[in-house]
Parts: sequence; structure tokens; C-alpha cells
Amino acid sequence: DADVTQTPRNRITKTGKRIMLECSQTKGHDRMYWYRQDPGLGLRLIYYSFDVKDINKGEISDGYSVSRQAQAKFSLSLESAIPNQTALYFCATSDGAPGQPNEKLFFGSGTQLSVL
Amino acid sequence: SQQGEEDPQALSIQEGENATMNCSYKTSINNLQWYRQNSGRGLVHLILIRSNEREKHSGRLRVTLDTSKKSSSLLITASRAADTASYFCATDPYPPGTYKYIFGTGTRLKVLA
Repeated sequence: DADVTQTPRNRITKTGKRIMLECSQTKGHDRMYWYRQDPGLGLRLIYYSFDVKDINKGEISDGYSVSRQAQAKFSLSLESAIPNQTALYFCATSDGAPGQPNEKLFFGSGTQLSVL
Repeated sequence: SQQGEEDPQALSIQEGENATMNCSYKTSINNLQWYRQNSGRGLVHLILIRSNEREKHSGRLRVTLDTSKKSSSLLITASRAADTASYFCATDPYPPGTYKYIFGTGTRLKVLA
């Protein structure tokens, strides 16, 4: 079983719809991240969380919100989807210890979202 | 804006040749990592080099870091068709406390059999 699981794998939706992407992990990591990937732009950080009560904005948080329901779960919502949010979305966890720099990231398989 | 920029954007080589890709970044860092992505799916960690290290090896991978030039290179020796993928550098910006990785735009490597 995958250590970092994203659902759904693919989603097609219409402009204006509310969408939630879910991420769960069995690695026991405190740190979780949401990235989006667009062709030619690499990965850009949307939000990140270092524990259940901690939410931080990344580079491109406008139009997105997140919820850290438990250590193992980190959800990304698009309140009103628009076509330029069409992208490949990744959830990641890291094994950095509190107060210490990050170590490596572990990624889910991604969610391909298309907003029509 | 992107912290890291990889060069070249795309690289095509024959199996058995070496592949070199470069990463430049803008700010001071705690460490730099390289990741591989196959077919647009999840990234996989390859190697981490800390800001006080200059070179690191892992199997057929060799990473160098030049903090004075704010650049890193990834060398894959004796490449195989299975190395065909996109490669990304990711930097953990200094000072500590940010603890978030910034990714570059990637190098697409194609290894021809």
C-alpha cells in the first residue's frame, strides 16, 4: 500500500464548482504539503502544515484552502474552481523533526484536475 | 518566483553515456535535494546534499554543490533507458524556520536504447 495516498487520481469538474482533494499518509510524519505542477513551471507550493493546528500559506494560496483534520490527513479545497486551476496536484510529507530542518519529501501519486 | 532553475530543460543521450544537469538557485540554503519524476506522477527522492558539503555520491549518482555560485549539478553515470524521467532540484531556503522546499522547473532526460 502507498504511504501517501491521494484521492481522487483524476477529476474533471466545471467552473464554479467546489472541489476537495484528499491526502492521507501512514508514515507518521508531522509535516504535510500541497503542491501544484504545471508544464514548464515545476512544482509550486500551495499550503503546508507542520502539525494539526498549524496551517501556512505557500507561494500560490489564493483560491485554495486546506484542512488538517488529523496528523494523517490534509485536504485541499478549491472553493470555486476556475480553468487556470487545471493542473497536477501533489501531496507530500516530510520526516523533519520539530525545530529541525526538513529532510526528504515523500510524494503521493498526484491528482490530475481539469476545470472546464 | 522559482527558487531553482534547471539547465538544460531537456536532454537526450544514448544508453551508456553520462547525463549532467544543473540547478541554479537564488537565496542561501540549508540543503539541496534532487528528485526524479516518471511520467508525470509522484516525485521520488534521489539524494540530499547539505550546505556544508561539496560533493555526494549515491550509486550512479554524483551531486556537487557550489554555494558561492549558488549552483548544483547532478551527474548520472552509465545511463540506462530506465533513467528516462524528469529531474528536479529542490532547495530548503535559509534561514531555518521556513522548512519548506522550493522546486525548480526540471530537466527532462531521455535515454535512448
